[in-house]
Amino acid sequence: GDSVTQMEGPVTLSEEAFLTINCTYTATGYPSLFWYVQYPGEGLQLLLKATKADDKGSNKGFEATYRKETTSFHLEKGSVQVSDSAVYFCALSDHLGGYQKVTFGIGTKLQVIP
Amino acid sequence: GAGVSQSPSNKVTEKGKDVELRCDPISGHTALYWYRQSLGQGLEFLIYFQGNSAPDKSGLPSDRFSAERTGGSVSTLTIQRTQQEDSAVYLCASSLSTASGNTIYFGEGSWLTVV
Repeated sequence: GDSVTQMEGPVTLSEEAFLTINCTYTATGYPSLFWYVQYPGEGLQLLLKATKADDKGSNKGFEATYRKETTSFHLEKGSVQVSDSAVYFCALSDHLGGYQKVTFGIGTKLQVIP
Repeated sequence: GAGVSQSPSNKVTEKGKDVELRCDPISGHTALYWYRQSLGQGLEFLIYFQGNSAPDKSGLPSDRFSAERTGGSVSTLTIQRTQQEDSAVYLCASSLSTASGNTIYFGEGSWLTVV
């Protein structure tokens, strides 16, 4: 079945540091890939997505590129801010049996310190 | 509505009692999902609805869990004879259609504590 593996946190960075959160996946079909973010006390929000190989999703300075050859969708940001502190979830969406099934990774907690 | 709405936002219940959690999806969204998020765990898929039918119930953890959706809109997740291990955040999400790549939008969640 489909699965998503992402690095376990917590990840602690200083403000303005470079961020990478690794995400790899296995899928039976040709999935779409997502990053969701959950700020403290809030629900999950879509951060970015990519629907086909080599697509790059980007939002709020975050980027991730759909790499089919390495089955990866690593999240990067060049300079993190304290306000980026949150839990980040990698997810894939696969079209199985006529409907969309979304599988999430375990989530990576990011803490950015001033 | 403007977003996915869930109620109650917080629920404390005694072990053995039944609870009902409600989800009102975004207007016009045909697909509806329930997930569970336990402390320190990822998102666990519970059940999916397309319209009023549930083609995938594979994630329901036991027969104490059930869900229904009426009128292609509101969904209710029911947990009978609650146990302490049922304590978690129950997240509802909806998407416009079943096409792959559609963004799913989450509600704020219902925080369930079984004491």
